[in-house]
Order: sequence, then C-alpha cells, then structure tokens
Amino acid sequence: ETGVTQTPRHLVMGMTNKKSLKCEQHLGHNAMYWYKQSAKKPLELMFVYNFKEQTENNSVPSRFSPECPNSSHLFLHLHTLQPEDSALYLCASSQELRGVNYEQYFGPGTRLTVT
Amino acid sequence: AQTVTQSQPEMSVQEAETVTLSCTYDTSESDYYLFWYKQPPSRQMILVIRQEAYKQQNATENRFSVNFQKAAKSFSLKISDSQLGDAAMYFCAYRSFFTQGGSEKLVFGKGTKLTVNP
Repeated sequence: ETGVTQTPRHLVMGMTNKKSLKCEQHLGHNAMYWYKQSAKKPLELMFVYNFKEQTENNSVPSRFSPECPNSSHLFLHLHTLQPEDSALYLCASSQELRGVNYEQYFGPGTRLTVT
Repeated sequence: AQTVTQSQPEMSVQEAETVTLSCTYDTSESDYYLFWYKQPPSRQMILVIRQEAYKQQNATENRFSVNFQKAAKSFSLKISDSQLGDAAMYFCAYRSFFTQGGSEKLVFGKGTKLTVNP
C-alpha cells in the first residue's frame, strides 16, 4: 500500500469500551499527527510525533492516549469516551528536514461514533 | 497565535466556469507556508496547492491558482474550468516556516463546501 492508511475506517463504540485507531505511513516520513475533524469546526491538531518523540499535546483529554512505536506507525488508544468525541479522526505524516517541514499527507480517516 | 478564516461556508459554480474561494489569515510571522487542501465526500484529504510566503509569484497547479496578497494576509484559490470532480470541501491552512521545538502545526480554516453544477 502507498501513502497513509488508517484502520478501521468506521468505528462505533460505547462509552465504557476501549478501542484503538491505527495509522501507518508508507512514505518514509519522520513526523506523524493526529487530528480531530468535527462538523462545522476547523481541524484540531491533537498530537504530534517527530522521530517517535511526542512533541505536541494540544490539551487533549487523557481518555485519548497516543502511541508511536516507530516512525511508520501511530496509534490512538481510546477509553471511556464521551458522545462529543464522535468525529472523524485523521492521521497525517510529513518529512522534517533540518528544522524545515514540508506538506502533510493525510490518511482517509476513521469515522468514530460514541454511543 | 495564528488564525485562518474562510468566510464562505458554501459556494457553487457551473461546470466549466471559474470560482474563487477566499481565505484570510492572521500572523505576526514573516516566513510561513499556506496551503489549500481538498477533501471530497468520504475521501482522503489531498493537497491542492502550496505557497511559500517569501515568494512573490503566485503558485499555480494546472487549473488551480492562488492570489497571494501578503500585506493583506489574503490567500484565495481560483479554480478555472471547473469540473464535477472538483466538488469537495476546501480547507485553507497555515504553517510556520521553521519548526519550533521539533514540532509542526497546521492551522486550518473551517472550510468551504464547493458544489459544481452540471
């Protein structure tokens, strides 16, 4: 596969469930991102990983827990979510070179519904 | 903090016509990138065009071009000869030129939904 892939594409979970979203990039990039896209709101950056190190946490509630085991994989672990967490979760990657970043490439997203 | 504003929630255009989507932004930085991303219904977000702020020449990509007015902090997207496949949400985004602390942040507008009428 090429580009940025995300699984699952759709997820319905109850408020007491624990689930994980997976993102994989096949572009050789060294930075990965999680965004939340809610209706009628700008995309919100949640987490940034550069060289597997978390460099940004945009005041995201602890019920969202990221994991980046290597530069190609990124996970978002979910537990005890709220209905307002229902949204499209987008993963992206980019190449950082000597302090200059390039454009981000996005995955297709996971449509999450919390019931 | 930087902000990006897209004042047109929805736009429509006739096939083969030209449409311009507006974007304004606010920043105190002098070096930065601006992007237009396209997100078709139920499909992946893809980059349409990018502009480096230090370049005076407006970026073009086939039927897509921008009107970058740095002093006015305006970055509009023009789509010429519109096609049915151009129907999508279009997002304007801003990013600092250099990373700070190893992180990069894209700041997005709320998007403009473009409808192309046959």
